[in-house]
Amino acid sequence: EPEVTQTPSHQVTQMGQEVILRCVPISNHLYFYWYRQILGQKVEFLVSFYNNEISEKSEIFDDQFSVERPDGSNFTLKIRSTKLEDSAMYFCASIAEQGAGELFFGEGSRLTVL
Amino acid sequence: SQQGEEDPQALSIQEGENATMNCSYKTSINNLQWYRQNSGRGLVHLILIRSNEREKHSGRLRVTLDTSKKSSSLLITASRAADTASYFCATDRAAGNKLTFGGGTRVLVKP
Repeated sequence: EPEVTQTPSHQVTQMGQEVILRCVPISNHLYFYWYRQILGQKVEFLVSFYNNEISEKSEIFDDQFSVERPDGSNFTLKIRSTKLEDSAMYFCASIAEQGAGELFFGEGSRLTVL
Repeated sequence: SQQGEEDPQALSIQEGENATMNCSYKTSINNLQWYRQNSGRGLVHLILIRSNEREKHSGRLRVTLDTSKKSSSLLITASRAADTASYFCATDRAAGNKLTFGGGTRVLVKP
């Protein structure tokens, strides 16, 4: 069964360092998302991406964050200068088309900022 | 409360019992979905109910939606130890829009 894959599964970084989280969405999907979940808290929307551009972003997604689809398969989330409060699980998700309903989530990348 | 709030926050039951959890939301919605998350893992889609539907079944899952009360319930019948997980409701306000998740209900099914 097709699945969304994310790497790395866990990354530990020092505050102020740049981090890139990678996702390979399901191959025929066209809409891509990043969500995050701080330990014990809600899953929060960060950004949606379609047709090589951001379609919507949340207040969390400030100038420190960026997304890119550098080739036909990868979808990356970059945090330019990490802060302690960026420690969270980051989930990538994809969907085939608008209105299809079910989002397919990856297993997540746990980011720990020291 | 915020869009998509579940209650109870935690639920402990014996294997074989039914588990019921509720979700309330504030604004109008297009779809309401329920997801499951095992500890430290990703989110797995369970069931979607559209705003014009009132009830939906999938295996041991039953979801209801009451748009007049802006609430939904998820019932897991004949629970198993493997159902131990957190369950989240998520709403979207228009097709293709972002999902807004609730805080989740932690369900513990004791063997």
